[in-house]
Amino acid sequence: EVQLLESGGGLVQPGGSLRLSCAASGFTFSSYAMSWVRQAPGKGLEWVLVISGGGVSTNYADSVKGRFTISRDNSKNTLYLQMNSLRAEDTAVYYCARGRGDYYDSRGYPYWGQGTLVTVSS
Amino acid sequence: AIQMTQSPSSLSASVGDRVTITCRASQGIRNDLGWYQQKPGKAPKLLIYAASSLQTGVPSRFSGSGSGTDFTLTISSLQPEDFATYYCLQDYNYPRTFGQGTKVEIK
Repeated sequence: EVQLLESGGGLVQPGGSLRLSCAASGFTFSSYAMSWVRQAPGKGLEWVLVISGGGVSTNYADSVKGRFTISRDNSKNTLYLQMNSLRAEDTAVYYCARGRGDYYDSRGYPYWGQGTLVTVSS
Repeated sequence: AIQMTQSPSSLSASVGDRVTITCRASQGIRNDLGWYQQKPGKAPKLLIYAASSLQTGVPSRFSGSGSGTDFTLTISSLQPEDFATYYCLQDYNYPRTFGQGTKVEIK
């Protein structure tokens, strides 16, 4: 059974940093691209970042480019999101999601974690 | 980035109604589109991928159609558990982009 478990959320001051983790199990982690999707309170879904199975290819939404970094450790079956220079508008539930294949697969995200809340506030 | 325009933003319907939600892409995306259902406090759930393929385990009252720029999600007979918010997502290229969402409420 595919399982994705996010952790690392919490309260952080504007301008601060936070690192989220997504622990994966139930599949061959290195074979799949992984993504982060976020949802601000009461708002819609926003796709944020992707990383290929081998970690070579990445892509970012303009809203986080230069501030957020996605990475993965395939030996630990874990996905990371390093968030720097955090702003109030980054307050959201952050979900990790897995698709059906690697970076260029275009058949949606059938697997999601439960989400972790990041609150940016002084 | 490709813009996804979803409509309506909300609708009220009764159990048993046929419901249609549309999504329009700012450029052609072949059939690289998925539909998701989200209930409050829960992660999104994939309903349809590749515009018209039903995700395993999803009831057959859900269907998707379209190609290019115009897409439709149809619920043939709305059930109580279908009251939720629905999103389209283009997976044609990066960055992926979601529609704004459609909240389906009880009439």
